[in-house]
Amino acid sequence: GDSVTQMEGPVTLSEEAFLTINCTYTATGYPSLFWYVQYPGEGLQLLLKATKADDKGSNKGFEATYRKETTSFHLEKGSVQVSDSAVYFCALTSAQGGSEKLVFGKGTKLTVNP
Amino acid sequence: EAGVTQFPSHSVIEKGQTVTLRCDPISGHDNLYWYRRVMGKEIKFLLHFVKESKQDESGMPNNRFLAERTGGTYSTLKVQPAELEDSGVYFCASSQRGAGKYNEQFFGPGTRLTVL
Repeated sequence: GDSVTQMEGPVTLSEEAFLTINCTYTATGYPSLFWYVQYPGEGLQLLLKATKADDKGSNKGFEATYRKETTSFHLEKGSVQVSDSAVYFCALTSAQGGSEKLVFGKGTKLTVNP
Repeated sequence: EAGVTQFPSHSVIEKGQTVTLRCDPISGHDNLYWYRRVMGKEIKFLLHFVKESKQDESGMPNNRFLAERTGGTYSTLKVQPAELEDSGVYFCASSQRGAGKYNEQFFGPGTRLTVL
């Protein structure tokens, strides 16, 4: 079945550091790929998405490129802020059988220190 | 516009008891999903409603779990009887119904269930 593997956390960075969170996937067909973020005490929010190969999703300074050849969707940000501290989830959907159920990775907890 | 709400935010029960979780989706969203995150593991899909019909319940772990969405509005997820391994955070998400594109799922804050 479909699966998502993302780097284990936790990740601790200083403010303005560069962030990369690796994500690779296994899926049948052509999935859509997502990064969700969960801030403390809140629900998951869609951070960015890409629906086909070579698409780049971007939002709030975060970027991720859909790489079909390496089955990857790594999350990057050039300069993190304290407010980026959260848990980040990589996810995909293959929209099989009419259900757009999401398949998630385990999540990576990011802590940014001032 | 109100987001997805879930009740309760936290529930602590003893093994063998019954618990009912509730989810109120965004108004007008036909799709409603339930997911669960067990400590340290992935968020896993449980089931998907389209209005009041179960579109996909392939993720339901066993027959101790019963989900309903009467009238196609709010949904309940009942666990009876609860077991220790049912502990985790239960998320609900809703989305509009549309063809030909991904319909963004909006998540609630989750219900943290602890079974002692």
